[in-house]
Amino acid sequence: EVQLVESGGGLVQPGGSLRLSCAASGFTFSTYYMSWVRQAPGKGLEWVANIKQDGSEKYHVDSVKGRFTISRDNAKSSLYLQMNSLRAEDTAVYYCARGSQLLDYWGQGTLVTVSS
Amino acid sequence: VVMTQSPLSLPVTLGQPASISCRSSQSLVHSDGNTHLNWFQQRPGQSPRRLIYKVSNRDSGVPDRFSGSGSGTDFTLKISRVEAEDVGVYYCLQTTHWPPTFGQGTRVDIK
Repeated sequence: EVQLVESGGGLVQPGGSLRLSCAASGFTFSTYYMSWVRQAPGKGLEWVANIKQDGSEKYHVDSVKGRFTISRDNAKSSLYLQMNSLRAEDTAVYYCARGSQLLDYWGQGTLVTVSS
Repeated sequence: VVMTQSPLSLPVTLGQPASISCRSSQSLVHSDGNTHLNWFQQRPGQSPRRLIYKVSNRDSGVPDRFSGSGSGTDFTLKISRVEAEDVGVYYCLQTTHWPPTFGQGTRVDIK
């Protein structure tokens, strides 16, 4: 059974940093693109970033470029999102999802709240 | 690419059909010949769940009352007979063009 479990969310002050993790199981992690998607409270879905199977290619939406970095560790079947210079508008539930065009499996999400 | 869904709110009577439109600002036909238009369901308090991929392909376990159709820039998700468990928000997503973009979401509830 495919499982994606996010962790690392929490309350952080504006300008602060957080590192999100996503532990994958039930499939061969190293053979899939992976993505992060976020959802602000009461709002719609916004794709954030994705990463190629071997980590050689990474793409970030313009609103987070230069502040967020997606990465992965295939040996640990884990996906990460390093978030720096956080802003109030980054407050959201962050989901990891399998694939880039697929997005066929999603985790339960982890809440990031940016507030003083 | 801007994805525009309509309506944004859809009250439906149990057992009646429902239809959601999704229009893209550009053609979603990819250079690989596929049209990467997906539909997701998000029930209250849950993560999104993919229902339909590449316009009309139903995911495993998705009831056959859900169907997707369309081409180019104009797509539709239909529920043939709405059941109580179908309440939630439905999103279209294009992954043909960079970056991937979602529609605003359509909230389906029971009248």
